Amino acid sequence: NAGVMQNPRHLVRRRGQEARLRCSPMKGHSHVYWYRQLPEEGLKFMVYLQKENIIDESGMPKERFSAEFPKEGPSILRIQQVVRGDSAAYFCASDAQGAKVTEAFFGQGTRLTVV
Amino acid sequence: GESVGLHLPTLSVQEGDNSIINCAYSNSASDYFIWYKQESGKGPQFIIDIRSNMDKRQGQRVTVLLNKTVKHLSLQIAATQPGDSAVYFCAEGFTAGFQKLVFGTGTRLLVSP
Repeated sequence: NAGVMQNPRHLVRRRGQEARLRCSPMKGHSHVYWYRQLPEEGLKFMVYLQKENIIDESGMPKERFSAEFPKEGPSILRIQQVVRGDSAAYFCASDAQGAKVTEAFFGQGTRLTVV
Repeated sequence: GESVGLHLPTLSVQEGDNSIINCAYSNSASDYFIWYKQESGKGPQFIIDIRSNMDKRQGQRVTVLLNKTVKHLSLQIAATQPGDSAVYFCAEGFTAGFQKLVFGTGTRLLVSP
């Protein structure tokens, strides 16, 4: 049973480009969470999605960032017009029911570098 | 805003020693706490959790202690091994809600052979 799959593992973008980060939850999981981790810091919650619904996006920057979890396919975290401050590791977690925090599993992350 | 913080950024121990990693939290409404281990280049790995109606919980070689009076959480690792070297994060949340966790900054544990 594959775990949470994130790709790419490493992504380099020039300032002003778009970054698209993908997350495939564990089989049977319908809830996805995105977290951001700056170097030497803990993870910060960004957004919680269920299939075709954004449940809580209180941690998402107001501009340039968006997330989706379509009916088919992976969840996508999209960052438009990237800036150097967007350089971070972005982690996705998934679980089956949303409310049971013990069942959430993290992916290996996508490390975004903006040059 | 409320936050979770750690006392020691780096902890160096000898193999075989017991390790204690501490965490202070400030949101008295939090009722669920988790310790994660993160190795270099990897995602957080669940170690152990504890709910606020408990003071202590034990796992394999690990024990989590919760002191709600002083809002303090600790992770004890018995007979520390080189493979335990990693960054350890505490996180707080709510059992009634979804997995919107607040993470601490992290403590780096270095285990020498």
